[in-house]
Amino acid sequence: KNEVEQSPQNLTAQEGEFITINCSYSVGISALHWLQQHPGGGIVSLFMLSSGKKKHGRLIATINIQEKHSSLHITASHPRDSAVYICAVGGGGNQFYFGTGTSLTVIP
Amino acid sequence: DAGVIQSPRHEVTEMGQEVTLRCKPISGHNSLFWYRQTMMRGLELLIYFNNNVPIDDSGMPEDRFSAKMPNASFSTLKIQPSEPRDSAVYFCASSSDSLRGETQYFGPGTRLLVL
Repeated sequence: KNEVEQSPQNLTAQEGEFITINCSYSVGISALHWLQQHPGGGIVSLFMLSSGKKKHGRLIATINIQEKHSSLHITASHPRDSAVYICAVGGGGNQFYFGTGTSLTVIP
Repeated sequence: DAGVIQSPRHEVTEMGQEVTLRCKPISGHNSLFWYRQTMMRGLELLIYFNNNVPIDDSGMPEDRFSAKMPNASFSTLKIQPSEPRDSAVYFCASSSDSLRGETQYFGPGTRLLVL
C-alpha cells in the first residue's frame, strides 16, 4: 500500500475550469508539500502545509489533519497550469513519501 | 540568488563508469536533499543532509551510491560503478530548515543515461 495516494492520476480540463487534485496519506506527518513539475522537468515547490489553508494567486491548498487529506485547487485554470502535481508528506522518523503525481492538461 | 545549481545537466556514460553529480544549494540554506525520479518509481528521496551532516540515507539504493557534503555550499552524489538501471533524473533541493519544516527549492536536475 502506498503511504500517499493521489487522485485523479490524469486530468484534462478546459481553460477557465476550477480544478481539484486530492491527496490522502496514511502516515503521521509533520508537513505536506505540493510540488509542480513542468513538462521540461523542473520542479517547483508550491506549498508546504501543516494545517489549515494557504493561497497563492489562483492556487489554494488545504489540509485536514484529522482526515489525513489535502486538496490542491486551481481557479480559472490556464494552459500554462499544465503540469504534473505531486503531493509529498514528511512523516515521522525522517521519512518522506511521495504520491505518484497527477498529470493535468488544460486545453485552450 | 541563482537558486540551486546542479551540474552536469545531462550525463551519458557507459555501464561500469563512475558518475559524479554536483549540487550547490542556495546560500544560507542548511538542509540539502538528493532525489531520484524515474518513470517506474516516481520521485524518491535518496539522502538528506542537515548542517553538512547526513541525517537519513535510508533511501540510497545500494552501496554503489554515496553522497558527501564537505561544506555548506557543495554536495556530490557518486555512483560507482554505474548500471543502466541508474538512468534517471537526479534532483538536488535545499531548504532553510529540516526536511519537515520548510519549503524546498529544487535544482533543474541532472538527466543521467547509463548505456
